[in-house]
Amino acid sequence: GAVVSQHPSWVICKSGTSVKIECRSLDFQATTMFWYRQFPKQSLMLMATSNEGSKATYEQGVEKDKFLINHASLTLSTLTVTSAHPEDSSFYICSATLGLAGDPGYEQYFGPGTRLTVT
Amino acid sequence: QKEVEQNSGPLSVPEGAIASLNCTYSDRGSQSFFWYRQYSGKSPELIMFIYSNGDKEDGRFTAQLNKASQYVSLLIRDSQPSDSATYLCAVNNDYKLSFGAGTTVTVRA
Repeated sequence: GAVVSQHPSWVICKSGTSVKIECRSLDFQATTMFWYRQFPKQSLMLMATSNEGSKATYEQGVEKDKFLINHASLTLSTLTVTSAHPEDSSFYICSATLGLAGDPGYEQYFGPGTRLTVT
Repeated sequence: QKEVEQNSGPLSVPEGAIASLNCTYSDRGSQSFFWYRQYSGKSPELIMFIYSNGDKEDGRFTAQLNKASQYVSLLIRDSQPSDSATYLCAVNNDYKLSFGAGTTVTVRA
């Protein structure tokens, strides 16, 4: 159980175009979904936290107008990279949780990631 | 100051040996602690979590937590070549995870 999928698994786009990445919790309803970015040889950096039906909360330094997050349902969140540039090329990973923030074993289930290359 | 720091790698151990990974964190209010394994090009997969002081064992893995010292570690016993990966320490503050930079482990056959 607790499977998270992402689509697409990889995408190549031209500079200036927009790309949408989907994150789905397949067998559970997620209270919260998270979007991370990982550059080569670096760790995961949280971009934003997303709750169904409300605006995403972005981490400091993340442009909310560039990285649009829509959380349409308890099982689906999307990240749209608008006007992508080569520096946006990265590994984008989503996660989802069904626990509550105060739970000791609060666990995030990670999707397989999306490799974005902007040419 | 980084929130979560891990011992720099890479760490190379012979097959069958114990790999020891360390992690320190800066926020004393941190509630729970996670170890993830990440293979190259893949997303992280959870190995185990710990939230009480002491040791927690799961198969060949043992996590140790010392909140007074703000320190958490992971021991991998009887290391196997399939354990070769980057290990990420993550700390939960409220609902957000902060990740360390990771330690790359190579198990030599």
